[in-house]
Amino acid sequence: EAQVTQNPRYLITVTGKKLTVTCSQNMNHEYMSWYRQDPGLGLRQIYYSMNVEATDKGDVPEGYKVSRKEKRNFPLILESPSPNQTSLYFCASSSTGQGSNTEAFFGQGTRLTVV
Amino acid sequence: LAKTTQPISMDSYEGQEVNITCSHNNIATNDYITWYQQFPSQGPRFIIQGYKTKVTNEVASLFIPADRKSSTLSLPRVSLSDTAVYYCLVGDADTGFQKLVFGTGTRLLVSP
Repeated sequence: EAQVTQNPRYLITVTGKKLTVTCSQNMNHEYMSWYRQDPGLGLRQIYYSMNVEATDKGDVPEGYKVSRKEKRNFPLILESPSPNQTSLYFCASSSTGQGSNTEAFFGQGTRLTVV
Repeated sequence: LAKTTQPISMDSYEGQEVNITCSHNNIATNDYITWYQQFPSQGPRFIIQGYKTKVTNEVASLFIPADRKSSTLSLPRVSLSDTAVYYCLVGDADTGFQKLVFGTGTRLLVSP
């Protein structure tokens, strides 16, 4: 079954404690990206990756890091989380650039609370 | 910056056909129009995509007029499980199609 898997689904952490949200896809997709969703602001892109070792900033990259060492994995790293990073996070993957004539697959989401 | 405009919300009843219209006046020549569905606390799910005229799949139909400045998602005979937020997106040529630009979406509520 084609899927994008995020872990954990729920996370409560404290300010400043480094954390990583993992994302894995089993469709051999080149493109992967991270979004955050906040009430009233909708879905906003954090980072995206065109392929292994190729990443770039989205609309709201501040406070986040990513890496793409393997095609299937695209972890999101918060080096020093702050309360304004409390949000619902989604990972997505697609076979071509998201936004063109293709279908993007989204993970189930990670609800992060930073206290 | 989202380049689409949709109604914020719509109400319907089970068994009715629902049409959600999206305006995209500045759509580029090579942009496609894509619709996603999102349930609370779940990731968006692809529904349908088209470039012009009409596209139909097992879930919905997408109508695109010749000028492509708008599109209409048609959901036949909706059920309670179709209650969700529906997003209309166009391919972002300005960013080399590297992102999906989500607007606020249309919140559809289906009642018994």
